[in-house]
Amino acid sequence: AQSVSQHNHHVILSEAASLELGCNYSYGGTVNLFWYVQYPGQHLQLLLKYFSGDPLVKGIKGFEAEFIKSKFSFNLRKPSVQWSDTAEYFCAVILNYGGSQGNLIFGKGTKLSVKP
Amino acid sequence: EAGVVQSPRYKIIEKKQPVAFWCNPISGHNTLYWYLQNLGQGPELLIRYENEEAVDDSQLPKDRFSAERLKGVDSTLKIQPAELGDSAVYLCASSSGGMIGELFFGEGSRLTVL
Repeated sequence: AQSVSQHNHHVILSEAASLELGCNYSYGGTVNLFWYVQYPGQHLQLLLKYFSGDPLVKGIKGFEAEFIKSKFSFNLRKPSVQWSDTAEYFCAVILNYGGSQGNLIFGKGTKLSVKP
Repeated sequence: EAGVVQSPRYKIIEKKQPVAFWCNPISGHNTLYWYLQNLGQGPELLIRYENEEAVDDSQLPKDRFSAERLKGVDSTLKIQPAELGDSAVYLCASSSGGMIGELFFGEGSRLTVL
């Protein structure tokens, strides 16, 4: 079955440290890729998305992600994290089947704790 | 613009009791989703509606779960009877036709079955 793997369950960083959260998916066809974020006490919201074109996509709050097709990866990065980035981050994928699209499939999420 | 509204936020029931969750999507969003999120897991789709039609309910446990979206706007998800393993957060989300994968989520309904 197709799946999304997030390598780290919980990441703890100090402010100003660089961040990279791993995400891999298992599907050989065309995909659309997403990162969602859930801040403490808030709802899930879209952080960034990749459909096609430039494999390096930029999202809100200084986040970016790079799609590497050969590695089936879509890792999330931020050069310098802030305490306010403390949240849970979910990678998600939509599989495309010959022109029709499936539903969003989420990874298990990575909790990021940023120490002030 | 109001977001996706869900109620109740929290519900505690005993096993074998029924429970219902309500969702009002963002105005104009034709697509409505119900997701289940277990502790330490990502959301998993239960059912997807396009207007009032359930276009994907393959992951809905139909022996005890049911959902409806009668007028193509708000929706109700019901569990009857609830089991201990149903303890989870039930998320509702909505999206508009052109925004593939861009879902707007509610805050969720946290169910505890004792």
